[in-house]
Amino acid sequence: GNSVTQMEGPVTLSEEAFLTINCTYTATGYPSLFWYVQYPGEGLQLLLKATKADDKGSNKGFEATYRKETTSFHLEKGSVQVSDSAVYFCALRGYNKLIFGAGTRLAVHP
Amino acid sequence: NAGVTQTPKFQVLKTGQSMTLQCAQDMNHEYMSWYRQDPGMGLRLIHYSVGAGITDQGEVPNGYNVSRSTTEDFPLRLLSAAPSQTSVYFCASKGTDYEQYFGPGTRLTVT
Repeated sequence: GNSVTQMEGPVTLSEEAFLTINCTYTATGYPSLFWYVQYPGEGLQLLLKATKADDKGSNKGFEATYRKETTSFHLEKGSVQVSDSAVYFCALRGYNKLIFGAGTRLAVHP
Repeated sequence: NAGVTQTPKFQVLKTGQSMTLQCAQDMNHEYMSWYRQDPGMGLRLIHYSVGAGITDQGEVPNGYNVSRSTTEDFPLRLLSAAPSQTSVYFCASKGTDYEQYFGPGTRLTVT
């Protein structure tokens, strides 16, 4: 069946460091892919999406490219800020539902 | 425009008690769903609805009931709470685009 695997956290970085959070998926066909972010005490918010192979989603300095060759959708940001500290979830669109990875906690220190 | 609202924010139950988690959305979305979030497991779908009067099971439906009498509301009922249902519960809705909008969550503890 469809599934999403994310790198385990927590990821701890200094401000202005480069961020990569790995995400790979197993799916039939080419489903839409998403990154959601959950700030402390809040619900999930859509960060970015890609609806077909080779699409690049971007938002707030974050980027992810839908790579069907490697079945990956890694999240990157060139320079993280303390305010980026949150839990990040990779997800794919299944039939009438989203399938989530386990989440990766990011902590950014000044 | 409040988006997706959930009540209560926190709840403590004793084993065997029942309760209803409320969820409402004001975006006129047809699709609504309930997820539970557990450490290391991401979010798992409990039940979903594609419109008023239509509901279906997700991955982990046992011990939960839902109904959808209006477009706006999608309550989740715990019939007889068990410690395994200690979790954070999120309601979400989706319109015709790809984005799911999540509520702020209900943190439930069953003792």
